[in-house]
Amino acid sequence: AQSVTQLDSQVPVFEEAPVELRCNYSSSVSVYLFWYVQYPNQGLQLLLKYLSGSTLVKSINGFEAEFNKSQTSFHLRKPSVHISDTAEYFCAVSVAQFGNEKLTFGTGTRLTIIP
Amino acid sequence: DAGITQSPRYKITETGRQVTLMCHQTWSHSYMFWYRQDLGHGLRLIYYSAAADITDKGEVPDGYVVSRSKTENFPLTLESATRSQTSVYFCASSEAGRGDSSYEQYFGPGTRLTVT
Repeated sequence: AQSVTQLDSQVPVFEEAPVELRCNYSSSVSVYLFWYVQYPNQGLQLLLKYLSGSTLVKSINGFEAEFNKSQTSFHLRKPSVHISDTAEYFCAVSVAQFGNEKLTFGTGTRLTIIP
Repeated sequence: DAGITQSPRYKITETGRQVTLMCHQTWSHSYMFWYRQDLGHGLRLIYYSAAADITDKGEVPDGYVVSRSKTENFPLTLESATRSQTSVYFCASSEAGRGDSSYEQYFGPGTRLTVT
């Protein structure tokens, strides 16, 4: 079975400062990795994903994450955050197998941007 | 409207009552999922479906029933609601092997259920 650990339940950051949200996973087989974002009172939406290829993946709004197999990590980073980045961020993992669509989510990290 | 919708958005029910949460998607995605979101637990999978008439248990299925007679609908029923089932419920759908959308789950807006 796979599992995901997000050690930081809350991360306060000043506006325009950099941020890193940590995600570690556990799995005995190859995995796909995802970051989802949930804005207040909304459903989740995909931020970025790693399936294969380049280990550094980027989103359209400036976030990036790097797949590190040796450290079993997929940390999310942004060099300069904005008020609009206030949200809850979930790391998720799935078995790297065609047709396996099931995700296992972490417990989430609430990112709060301080003006 | 295209997308994935859930109804009702808010529901208050009493312990022991049966309640059904509806989920409808317009993309004809094969896979559909039900999650519950609770503080400190993130999202936990209740049931999922790979196609019409094919369903399987997730991590926390006890007390819930699902059916999928049509591809676009995936209702979740709480047969006898308990206070521990007070939660926010999310429905999601996905389709394997669709290029850039591979393995992406699309989520509905959620149903906030309170069991008194």
